[in-house]
Amino acid sequence: KAGVTQTPRYLIKTRGQQVTLSCSPISGHRSVSWYQQTPGQGLQFLFEYFSETQRNKGNFPGRFSGRQFSNSRSEMNVSTLELGDSALYLCASSPGPMNTEAFFGQGTRLTVV
Amino acid sequence: TQLLEQSPQFLSIQEGENLTVYCNSSSVFSSLQWYRQEPGEGPVLLVTVVTGGEVKKLKRLTFQFGDARKDSSLHITAAQPGDTGLYLCAGTFSTSGSRLTFGEGTQLTVNP
Repeated sequence: KAGVTQTPRYLIKTRGQQVTLSCSPISGHRSVSWYQQTPGQGLQFLFEYFSETQRNKGNFPGRFSGRQFSNSRSEMNVSTLELGDSALYLCASSPGPMNTEAFFGQGTRLTVV
Repeated sequence: TQLLEQSPQFLSIQEGENLTVYCNSSSVFSSLQWYRQEPGEGPVLLVTVVTGGEVKKLKRLTFQFGDARKDSSLHITAAQPGDTGLYLCAGTFSTSGSRLTFGEGTQLTVNP
């Protein structure tokens, strides 16, 4: 069974640009969550999607958004990038919203210059 | 807002030594997971505990969940260089559904 796939693995963007990151969950998993990991703040929850609906949202500005498609694949978008958005963005999938075990992808390393 | 405190933050030991990492919260966990993460990779799930007092073993790793479900520990016996990595505890709480709240992590280095 394939694991969680995130693309791209690495990304370099300029301040003010926007970026879209993609996540394909484990086959059969319908819940996808996104986390931001930085050296100073650790892993912080961004949002969770299930059945194309956002179920939960962390304390991030509106520049961070996401969506989920009918095949459970998810994308997150960050607009008007800031230097502080540089981080490892991790996607996690689980079978459903009541299942708390999360399986993470390798992440997308975003660098904003 | 629930907070997880993880200690120690850094741990450097020699091969063959034992170690324990702790994870505490002021709130009751609905469930708690331990992950291990290597540089540039995503966290890998090691174990999930949900019942107070629960003990789980994974080879040389022993995980304990406190009776009150507010704390957990990870004990590694006879550490090996391959155990080197960032160990993260993450919990869910009744007020936040399946959202994971992570501790800051323990960076373990096992020297040969």
